Amino acid sequence: QITLKESGPALVKPTQTLTLTCTFSGFSLSESEMAVGWIRQSPGGALEWLSLLYWNGHERLNPSLRSRLTVTKGTSSNQVVLTLTNVNPVDTAIYYCVKGARRGDWFDPWGQGILVTVSS
Amino acid sequence: DIQMTQSPSTLSASVGDRVTITCRASQNIVTWVAWYQQKPGKAPKFLIYRASILENGVPSRFSGSGSGTDFTLTISSLQPDDLATYYCQQYYSDPFTFGQGTKLEIK
Repeated sequence: QITLKESGPALVKPTQTLTLTCTFSGFSLSESEMAVGWIRQSPGGALEWLSLLYWNGHERLNPSLRSRLTVTKGTSSNQVVLTLTNVNPVDTAIYYCVKGARRGDWFDPWGQGILVTVSS
Repeated sequence: DIQMTQSPSTLSASVGDRVTITCRASQNIVTWVAWYQQKPGKAPKFLIYRASILENGVPSRFSGSGSGTDFTLTISSLQPDDLATYYCQQYYSDPFTFGQGTKLEIK
């Protein structure tokens, strides 16, 4: 069974850096064609794709956030870390960790999500 | 970026009804479309890929169709468990983008 779970702060102040960790099980990111991504959902419900990190180290980032967004493998082999710098209130969202499909860039399954609020 | 426009935004239907949700892409995306179901308070769940291929375990009352710019998600006989918001997603090119969602309400 594949599972993913997000962890990190629930509240971040404007201009600070947000760091979220995705811990997954049931697959290995070193396995060919595997990928782990991040998607966020605004309070209004809009879904925004943020990133995909592939088994071979290749990454794809949403150009709208590229200057502020970094995705790396974590210290454990089953973790991926998202870093978003200089956050502001529009970054308030539920952040989901997702597994990329082997045969295409859809997302399955999704983690439970973590609500991050940016506020002073 | 490729824009995905869903309609309607909200849909109210009765149990047993046939329901259709439409998703229109701002350019030709062939059949590179996925559909998701999000129940209240839950993460989205993957339903369909390549516009029409059901993921294993998805009830057969769900179906997808379309190619090019116009796509549909159909529920042949609405069930109470189908109360959810449905999203389309294009994976033709990044940034991968989603429709704004269609909230399905049960009358």
